[in-house]
Amino acid sequence: GAGVSQTPSNKVTEKGKYVELRCDPISGHTALYWYRQSLGQGPEFLIYFQGTGAADDSGLPNDRFFAVRPEGSVSTLKIQRTERGDSAVYLCASSLTGAGTRDEQFFGPGTRLTVL
Amino acid sequence: KQEVTQIPAALSVPEGENLVLNCSFTDSAIYNLQWFRQDPGKGLTSLLLIQSSQREQTSGRLNASLDKSSGRSTLYIAASQPGDSATYLCAVLTSGTYKYIFGTGTRLKVLA
Repeated sequence: GAGVSQTPSNKVTEKGKYVELRCDPISGHTALYWYRQSLGQGPEFLIYFQGTGAADDSGLPNDRFFAVRPEGSVSTLKIQRTERGDSAVYLCASSLTGAGTRDEQFFGPGTRLTVL
Repeated sequence: KQEVTQIPAALSVPEGENLVLNCSFTDSAIYNLQWFRQDPGKGLTSLLLIQSSQREQTSGRLNASLDKSSGRSTLYIAASQPGDSATYLCAVLTSGTYKYIFGTGTRLKVLA
């Protein structure tokens, strides 16, 4: 079956603009995660959804970042007033059930965001 | 707080060599540990997942071991090839949590 998909694969924007990054998880997976990977670093956790609700958004760096998952499937990560420091690869992952289990997380190909 | 360290940060070897990549973690209470490969500008490709109850996993020329008590995992690559050149990331899922903690990776270059 299809894996996790993310669109767009690349996004170039100007400082101060608003961007949306989309993640389509594996069908039937209730848990969805966003990570951010800066150049030369490992991915870092941003937010975790269990169904439609954000169970943990402690990794979001500030209030310019927001994510939704209104129907418990597709998720959108939204970044307002982008800054050059937001440039990174944004990775999405999904797992079957989520918290407190041995679920394997399956990662998408990522969206490379460049803020000029 | 779980911390994951990978050594070395970079490695260059001639083709055909067997090599070992190291990953250490500070909290031994884990659900699983996963090794990923990442090519430049690309996403993560899962290589091997080791559950906490397992000691090792093998796939082709790759073998990953897990020693929870010492907080260590190794990824062994046999008969390395230029196509193995990539960054290898280790990630740990700590018990009672749902977010992977990643190391900073080992950049491997296999020379033809």
